[in-house]
Amino acid sequence: DAGVIQSPRHEVTEMGQEVTLRCKPISGHDYLFWYRQTMMRGLELLIYFNNNVPIDDSGMPEDRFSAKMPNASFSTLKIQPSEPRDSAVYFCASSHLNEQFFGPGTRLTVL
Amino acid sequence: GQNIDQPTEMTATEGAIVQINCTYQTSGFNGLFWYQQHAGEAPTFLSYNVLDGLEEKGRFSSFLSRSKGYSYLLLKELQMKDSASYLCAVRVHNAGNMLTFGGGTRLMVKP
Repeated sequence: DAGVIQSPRHEVTEMGQEVTLRCKPISGHDYLFWYRQTMMRGLELLIYFNNNVPIDDSGMPEDRFSAKMPNASFSTLKIQPSEPRDSAVYFCASSHLNEQFFGPGTRLTVL
Repeated sequence: GQNIDQPTEMTATEGAIVQINCTYQTSGFNGLFWYQQHAGEAPTFLSYNVLDGLEEKGRFSSFLSRSKGYSYLLLKELQMKDSASYLCAVRVHNAGNMLTFGGGTRLMVKP
């Protein structure tokens, strides 16, 4: 398996623009997680899905953030409109049993 | 929620042994995880403890005391490539495979 796949790897956008981050989990994994990592706040869970259903979105900062998982092999995290404080590395991870496997991350810069 | 504490930074010498501590306060504890994260890369799984005691895996060992809310990661025969951040994470019952991460300990290995 290729592991968790994320795209794009880098995204630079201007404040106010819509940003869509994509994730393909490892086949057979029934959990999918979206994290955000910054120097100030560390690694924060934004939302997680179990069998494509959102279970806990309490970490989503505000209504500008939304996430979907239309099928077992694809998820998106959307920010609309984006703001400079959204600049961070966004990781997607998937798991089946104990271990979470992380994707390479998307480094987002909002100017 | 969970409260997880670990030192921010540590320095050690190549060939030596280092112990990275993690304390946590949570209800419904269901496992403690250690992840390694090199700069600019994604976290990767190191170890998992759910019962008290020591789990050994090569040069790395992880210990858990549930009654004390305490874990440590022990790295032996340190190598330069062990310079990285080490993240402690806790899982609780009734939250699926969701993890709450500590702030991470940045380990610098010097020659």
